Amino acid sequence: EPEVTQTPSHQVTQMGQEVILRCVPISNHLYFYWYRQILGQKVEFLVSFYNNEISEKSEIFDDQFSVERPDGSNFTLKIRSTKLEDSAMYFCASRPGYSSNQPQHFGDGTRLSIL
Amino acid sequence: QKEVEQNSGPLSVPEGAIASLNCTYSDRGSQSFFWYRQYSGKSPELIMSIYSNGDKEDGRFTAQLNKASQYVSLLIRDSQPSDSATYLCAVATGNQFYFGTGTSLTVIP
Repeated sequence: EPEVTQTPSHQVTQMGQEVILRCVPISNHLYFYWYRQILGQKVEFLVSFYNNEISEKSEIFDDQFSVERPDGSNFTLKIRSTKLEDSAMYFCASRPGYSSNQPQHFGDGTRLSIL
Repeated sequence: QKEVEQNSGPLSVPEGAIASLNCTYSDRGSQSFFWYRQYSGKSPELIMSIYSNGDKEDGRFTAQLNKASQYVSLLIRDSQPSDSATYLCAVATGNQFYFGTGTSLTVIP
């Protein structure tokens, strides 16, 4: 069964550095998402992406964050000037099309640790 | 602000019992509803989806939706220790998915 894959599984970075989290969505899916889950807390929506542009974004997704689909397969989340509070699991998800009836499929996540 | 509320638990049930998980949502325009299971340190895994009022059954799982009451639930029959996890309710309006905080379920052997 097709899967959403995320790399790396764990990223350790010094505060103030930039990180890029990578995702390969399921190949025929059109909508892509990034979520964040701070340890012990809820899954929080960051951004959705469709047709090579941001569809919606949350209050969390400020100028520190950006997303890109550089090559038609990868979907990346860039976090600039990382802060301690950016430490969390970051999940990428994708789904086939526009209808909200279609569920999201999640990758295994990247655990980001900011030191 | 669109809210999805779940009892955080923990909910403990003996093996073989029925576990009942509840979720309410604030946006009447919500169209689709999903239950995900999340084991500690793992990603959410889709269990059930429901779009119309009433019940939907899949094996030991039954999802119930009442749009008038803005309420969705998940029943797990014949609970097994392997069902011990956090269950996330997700509500979709268009492209936006909103997750509840999750209910922690422990099935006691």
